Parts: sequence; structure tokens; C-alpha cells
Amino acid sequence: SAVISQKPSRDICQRGTSLTIQCQVDSQVTMMFWYRQQPGQSLTLIATANQGSEATYESGFVIDKFPISRPNLTFSTLTVSNMSPEDSSIYLCSVVRAGMNTEAFFGQGTRLTVV
Amino acid sequence: QQPVQSPQAVILREGEDAVINCSSSKALYSVHWYRQKHGEAPVFLMILLKGGEQKGHEKISASFNEKKQQSSLYLTASQLSYSGTYFCGTDLTGGGNKLTFGTGTQLKVEL
Repeated sequence: SAVISQKPSRDICQRGTSLTIQCQVDSQVTMMFWYRQQPGQSLTLIATANQGSEATYESGFVIDKFPISRPNLTFSTLTVSNMSPEDSSIYLCSVVRAGMNTEAFFGQGTRLTVV
Repeated sequence: QQPVQSPQAVILREGEDAVINCSSSKALYSVHWYRQKHGEAPVFLMILLKGGEQKGHEKISASFNEKKQQSSLYLTASQLSYSGTYFCGTDLTGGGNKLTFGTGTQLKVEL
């Protein structure tokens, strides 16, 4: 298993500001993922955080809005930039250990409210 | 494309059975099943690989029909602790890591 510490657990932010979410894993993992889950909805993948290279973004998500850092194999950050109320959501980091077809582990999530 | 789950929601009495379906318009390499309780992170239940296998986890089992691009989760003799939202997570690329999650099924078990 993997223990993931994600913080902050929740925040209320003013529109136009930015928030950086941190994700710390208790062991080295190859791939880390960032998901968004809007209230009552499913999880939508934002991007894959790659160590040593730029993140890979899914359709509809751009680096300017969601810059990601991955400085080492146990840590990643997601920044939500220039926030608007539409960014209010739960953001989750997830890891999958090296190898094929293994389970995904999730952080507890960051509940973001933009006012 | 996001896999579609059915039903969207179901209410059970304790001890009853339920089936949750996950249907994809794209070929599936593997299917994961997760349960998420309100305010918590999703928790892994099981993974099914290509080959039409069926797996069991206590009173929860699942099947995967790769030809039909479908998976089903079977909950038998439901318990109150089964309540939550169930998601299938599908591997559409064969990489085994990046998952596309289904639309979700809300399950509530009552006394």
C-alpha cells in the first residue's frame, strides 16, 4: 500500500488568487496523477505528473491554469491559478506503483471553495 | 469517453443483492472498481484484467467481458458498510496506470 499525505485538506479562496496543493507519498512512485472531482460527480484526470519532465495534461486542462511540479519521486504539487468559482471542487492526488495494472491509491483530497 | 455506469443510484435493504454495470465505448485493457464514502478518498476494491475473468472479494465480486467492453460488480448480502459511491476505473490505453473513471453509482443500504 501507499500512504499519501495531501494538504491542505480544505481552503476557501478569493477569486483571482492561486492555491498550491501538496501531495507527499511515503515511498517512491513512478507516476503521480491529479484528479478533480466536482460535487456529486466522478473523478476527472487533470494531468500526469512526471518526475524529471513536464506534466502531461488531459484535454481541457492547460499548464497555465494548473501548473504541476514533480521535483522527486515522492512529492508533487498542483497549483490552481487565477481561480474562479467554477474551480470549486475536490482535488485528489493519486499514485500507482511501478508495474502494470496495480491499484491506485488516493490522497484524502483538498476541498476548494472559491468565493 | 467516460464509461457509463448503471444504475445511477440504488437503495437496498440490508441483506439484498445488487449489480452495478460499467460500459465503455472503447476497448478496455483492465477495469478497476473503487468505493468512495462521502467526504473520503476512493478505496480500491479489485482489478480485472483482459481474459473475462471473475474475481471475488468477500461478498463482492466482479466480471469483465472484454468483447462487450463491459464490467459488472456484484454485491451479495449487502451490509450497511457497503453504502457509498462505486466507480469503475478503466484503462483505455494499455499502460495500466492512467484510469478513466465511470459516471458512478450511488448505493445506499438501509436496515
